[in-house]
Amino acid sequence: DTEVTQTPKHLVMGMTNKKSLKCEQHMGHRAMYWYKQKAKKPPELMFVYSYEKLSINESVPSRFSPECPNSSLLNLHLHALQPEDSALYLCASSQDGSSDGETQYFGPGTRLLVL
Amino acid sequence: GENVEQHPSTLSVQEGDSAVIKCTYSDSASNYFPWYKQELGKGPQLIIDIRSNVGEKKDQRIAVTLNKTAKHFSLHITETQPEDSAVYFCAASKGNTGFQKLVFGTGTRLLVSP
Repeated sequence: DTEVTQTPKHLVMGMTNKKSLKCEQHMGHRAMYWYKQKAKKPPELMFVYSYEKLSINESVPSRFSPECPNSSLLNLHLHALQPEDSALYLCASSQDGSSDGETQYFGPGTRLLVL
Repeated sequence: GENVEQHPSTLSVQEGDSAVIKCTYSDSASNYFPWYKQELGKGPQLIIDIRSNVGEKKDQRIAVTLNKTAKHFSLHITETQPEDSAVYFCAASKGNTGFQKLVFGTGTRLLVSP
């Protein structure tokens, strides 16, 4: 099973709302990623967790707060977002993030609209 | 840091024709080059990848070639079918930093007409 699941599929939120995106994988992977993808653009890395510890934060604004409660789950907490944060948010996972040529498996994404 | 350029941005072919998408990368230390297919409303799906110790890899109608000297790699799709229509992204990464970071190309929208 090479499936990464994400919920919700779609999310509409106001700039004062607090919401969370969820990602789950059951491949035994120890590295999990959050990407942001704007329309007609490639995915851009936001955060990486390896063995439940934050390994990389690509200078993402603090209104995005990642959390990795266990090796199978990854959350992205959203607060006080701006309209320009509207995008497709993709989760991915790989073996452990430290080996050469690890395949990253992507979920279907959560399409976020900030009003 | 790594920079990946991808061409063309759009590609229209007739069903049964071949399609070629090309990418160049800047960091000679990059050693892993995956290709992803992204259909409308879905996440990227890995279709083929190649590592720097290999010059070519083939999987049925899909092949990837790598020229390390020139720092470019290409995706070849033969006998295209309408279901091949999607956006294709190339990417490059290196693992010697203790962490593997994928850098994506800008994408190619492939349209296969029946």
